Amino acid sequence: GEDVEQSLFLSVREGDSSVINCTYTDSSSTYLYWYKQEPGAGLQLLTYIFSNMDMKQDQRLTVLLNKKDKHLSLRIADTQTGDSAIYFCAERSGGYQKVTFGTGTKLQVIP
Amino acid sequence: NAGVTQTPKFRILKIGQSMTLQCAQDMNHNYMYWYRQDPGMGLKLIYYSVGAGITDKGEVPNGYNVSRSTTEDFPLRLELAAPSQTSVYFCASIPGLAEQETQYFGPGTRLLVL
Repeated sequence: GEDVEQSLFLSVREGDSSVINCTYTDSSSTYLYWYKQEPGAGLQLLTYIFSNMDMKQDQRLTVLLNKKDKHLSLRIADTQTGDSAIYFCAERSGGYQKVTFGTGTKLQVIP
Repeated sequence: NAGVTQTPKFRILKIGQSMTLQCAQDMNHNYMYWYRQDPGMGLKLIYYSVGAGITDKGEVPNGYNVSRSTTEDFPLRLELAAPSQTSVYFCASIPGLAEQETQYFGPGTRLLVL
């Protein structure tokens, strides 16, 4: 089956930029997503990028997509303590039932 | 709007017991999904529904059943609970496949099977 890989943990200082990386295997991906999960809560969609785009910026969030290497990244500028959470990337290759989620990266922001 | 609601928040079951996890949304969304999240893992799709009366299996359907008699409700049934079903269960809904930015997840049900 398809696979989505992420590193498990990232620690950054408040005010620095965070970069969370993700690799995927499905070459027919149409959309790629980033979700945020705070403790005890469900996933919240942060942003998404269509597979024919290279970059998408939304306020402090920048998504970069390297389709050739099947690599997706999420950059959070000026990281705040409220950004501490688990971040999941996901890829979709058809209907929404064909979404594959990564294992999640826990972001720790040190004050 | 309340969004996607799930009950209960937490439940302990004995092996072999049955229970129904409730999921409801008040946004008139057609598409609803049940996922399970095991520790350190991504979400796995159990079942999904594209509208009232229509359900289909996801990646990990064994041991579960669903029904969708109304647009609002999408309950997940565990008939004979097993320790392997210890997990956090999330329900999600979207209005349609073209609307990428309107995905909603419920807060989850934490299930422990002993």
